[in-house]
Amino acid sequence: KAGVTQTPRYLIKTRGQQVTLSCSPISGHRSVSWYQQTPGQGLQFLFEYFSETQRNKGNFPGRFSGRQFSNSRSEMNVSTLELGDSALYLCASSLGGLGAIAEANYGYTFGSGTRLTVV
Amino acid sequence: LAKTTQPISMDSYEGQEVNITCSHNNIATNDYITWYQQFPSQGPRFIIQGYKTKVTNEVASLFIPADRKSSTLSLPRVSLSDTAVYYCLVGDPGGATNKLIFGTGTLLAVQP
Repeated sequence: KAGVTQTPRYLIKTRGQQVTLSCSPISGHRSVSWYQQTPGQGLQFLFEYFSETQRNKGNFPGRFSGRQFSNSRSEMNVSTLELGDSALYLCASSLGGLGAIAEANYGYTFGSGTRLTVV
Repeated sequence: LAKTTQPISMDSYEGQEVNITCSHNNIATNDYITWYQQFPSQGPRFIIQGYKTKVTNEVASLFIPADRKSSTLSLPRVSLSDTAVYYCLVGDPGGATNKLIFGTGTLLAVQP
């Protein structure tokens, strides 16, 4: 089966701009989660969408937002970019049942990420 | 979710067995232990998951003592391609949250 697809793979933006990243989950998966990875903070949970609704949210400012479409594809948006937003943004898809840990061995799959550089 | 502690880095040579230990002193009754592997500029990849005793699959074994306050990921006969960061996660599969809490991970460097 096809994996999780994230686009674009690389992106360079200027401070103050906004950016939209896309994630297409595995077919049949209804949950999409987003993570930010930086050398200083490691992997941090941003938010999770299930059936077009945000179900969980991490501790990030309101500049970070997302949405999910009826076909389960998800987008995340970062407005007013700051230099510190430079990171690898990862999305993970899963079947959607509560309990990501247990789903890991049959449905929780990460994409290759989008490398965002803010200059 | 329980906090985990792992070594920051480990070195090994090709063909050796590598054991990475993770401490999770406040693991809860319903928590499972899961290990992920991550290569640079890629998303984490599930390796193995267990609740107690020993679990083995085609790539690794997971040893969990009776008190479950720690776990050890065992990689048999590592190769250069096993150089990656390994994360230990602890969480409740039946819990009310669907997010993964990653620690700092262990950078495994395999040398020829």
